[in-house]
Amino acid sequence: EAGVAQSPRYKIIEKRQSVAFWCNPISGHATLYWYQQILGQGPKLLIQFQNNGVVDDSQLPKDRFSAERLKGVDSTLKIQPAKLEDSAVYLCASSLVGGITDTQYFGPGTRLTVL
Amino acid sequence: QQQVKQSPQSLIVQKGGISIINCAYENTAFDYFPWYQQFPGKGPALLIAIRPDVSEKKEGRFTISFNKSAKQFSLHIMDSQPGDSATYFCAAKEETSGSRLTFGEGTQLTVNP
Repeated sequence: EAGVAQSPRYKIIEKRQSVAFWCNPISGHATLYWYQQILGQGPKLLIQFQNNGVVDDSQLPKDRFSAERLKGVDSTLKIQPAKLEDSAVYLCASSLVGGITDTQYFGPGTRLTVL
Repeated sequence: QQQVKQSPQSLIVQKGGISIINCAYENTAFDYFPWYQQFPGKGPALLIAIRPDVSEKKEGRFTISFNKSAKQFSLHIMDSQPGDSATYFCAAKEETSGSRLTFGEGTQLTVNP
């Protein structure tokens, strides 16, 4: 079974530029998550989708971050404009239905460096 | 507000030894406690998980001990191997927040040969 795919793996941008990340979840998984992992910290949930709809975006900085899930499958996360503190690894995860004991499978992440 | 506190930040163990990582939580609504293992350049992967209705769960060399009254849980890795060298995260979920995982800060484990 193929895992969660993410691209690009690495991205370096200047502050105030925009950037987009792409995620393809495991086939058949209804729930998709974006996490931000700052160096030396645990991942922090940014947004959770259930099929096409947003379930939880309470920790998403909506003035600069946006995300969408296309046709309930692939998803993109965008940052516009980027700040220095956005430097982090952005992890995408998916799970079958999103229940409390449902396993979340993580992709390898995109490492973003903002200069 | 940090809801899950993890210690130690780093841990060095000799091959064959026992690795112990501790976590404490504040939110009594947490109802599911997984541990994740992360290797450099990879995403976290589920290692083992427990619900608060049991005090211990064992899978191979990995054991979770859970103390509901103290709001603490720990991961024990028996017979630690160099291949166990990774970063370990405890996490917690509550039913009312959907599937949001709240992670601890992580413990970098090094197992020396």
